Amino acid sequence: AQTVTQSQPEMSVQEAETVTLSCTYDTSENNYYLFWYKQPPSRQMILVIRQEAYKQQNATENRFSVNFQKAAKSFSLKISDSQLGDTAMYFCAFMAWRDNDMRFGAGTRLTVKP
Amino acid sequence: KAGVTQTPRYLIKTRGQQVTLSCSPISGHRSVSWYQQTPGQGLQFLFEYFSETQRNKGNFPGRFSGRQFSNSRSEMNVSTLELGDSALYLCASSLVGQRSGYTFGSGTRLTVV
Repeated sequence: AQTVTQSQPEMSVQEAETVTLSCTYDTSENNYYLFWYKQPPSRQMILVIRQEAYKQQNATENRFSVNFQKAAKSFSLKISDSQLGDTAMYFCAFMAWRDNDMRFGAGTRLTVKP
Repeated sequence: KAGVTQTPRYLIKTRGQQVTLSCSPISGHRSVSWYQQTPGQGLQFLFEYFSETQRNKGNFPGRFSGRQFSNSRSEMNVSTLELGDSALYLCASSLVGQRSGYTFGSGTRLTVV
């Protein structure tokens, strides 16, 4: 069974600084997808970034980038130039290529301070 | 285009009652998944539907059921409600075969008293 672990329940960062959220996962699958979702107080889960396991290049979306280490089964999210609007719960998620369900980590509550 | 729409936003029910939640996916999305989110258990997969067929089911009791209509809209039903069913229920839709990640709705907050 696949499991996703986020070891940082809470983190804070000063506005304009950089923060990295950690995620590790356990799987015997070779083909899979990894995601970071953001859940602000509005409750809606918003896709931040996506990584395909067969791609070695780390995904980047504007201020958001990942450090994907397949051998170590690690998938961290780096947020550069943090903004107040980045304050939210962040969830790491895993989906095997052959599956239709996503496995989520417990989440990291990120607070961006002015 | 319109996002994933879930109704109602909030619901209060009494133990023993049943409840039906609705989800309208993004136009063109044929896969609809449901998740339960609680502070204790986090996000847990309930089931996934495609073309009116349940393709995958999570580890929930039979009191939790769902269905999908020909227009891809989906409903989930919880019968004989228990206090522990209080949660945020999230619906997500996606294009089948496209692992671009799901688009989620804002959820239905169910409180069982």
